[in-house]
Amino acid sequence: SYVLTQPVSVSVALGQTANITCGGENIGGNTVHWYQKRPGQAPVLVIFRDSSRPHDIPDRFSGSHSGNMATLTISGAQAGDEADYYCQLRDINTFVVFGGGTKLTVL
Amino acid sequence: QVQLQESGPRLVKPSETLSLTCTLSGGSISYYYWTWIRQPPGEGLEWIGHIYHTGSSNYNPSLKSRVAISLDKSKNLFSLRLTSVTAADTAVYYCARGHDFTDNWFDPWGQGTLVSVSS
Repeated sequence: SYVLTQPVSVSVALGQTANITCGGENIGGNTVHWYQKRPGQAPVLVIFRDSSRPHDIPDRFSGSHSGNMATLTISGAQAGDEADYYCQLRDINTFVVFGGGTKLTVL
Repeated sequence: QVQLQESGPRLVKPSETLSLTCTLSGGSISYYYWTWIRQPPGEGLEWIGHIYHTGSSNYNPSLKSRVAISLDKSKNLFSLRLTSVTAADTAVYYCARGHDFTDNWFDPWGQGTLVSVSS
């Protein structure tokens, strides 16, 4: 089955830029979506179709996709950005695949 | 603004059937993929399956033999049935609206409901 690989954890200093990666074989042929998941809360879509942002998500959140790697970038990280982040794509065989999630810590 | 709310029993006995309902408010069940996703304690997200407004459905191959998702347009809700549950099915279950068959992203999500499988 298709596997999306994310780092288990990423740390970023307050106000700095965090990059969270999502890798997979032939990921370039798919569009990638990103979700923010805070403890006890529902996941929130922050990026869809690699780099599109829902209207209520601040422009500090951006996405990119090159080759076999997609990246979620959070600029000017704030304490409220601490959460787990999941990438996801549509796979031809298993339909939907999520990455294992990355815990973002803002120092 | 579309909102989703899960409801159903929070405790299910092993070998029995887990049944959950997701009620939609602020919109209608049309043109989207009405989806169930779960997260076992301490683990990541797992897609369970979806149903389109036409009634066609797709399921995670790992759960396909035990899962059924149905739709009730008159009540603006959709439901999940998972049979022969075990402790491994203990999870927070989310319903969500799926967009676009080709790319398939999810927004919004319900708040989630923790279902425990235990005797």
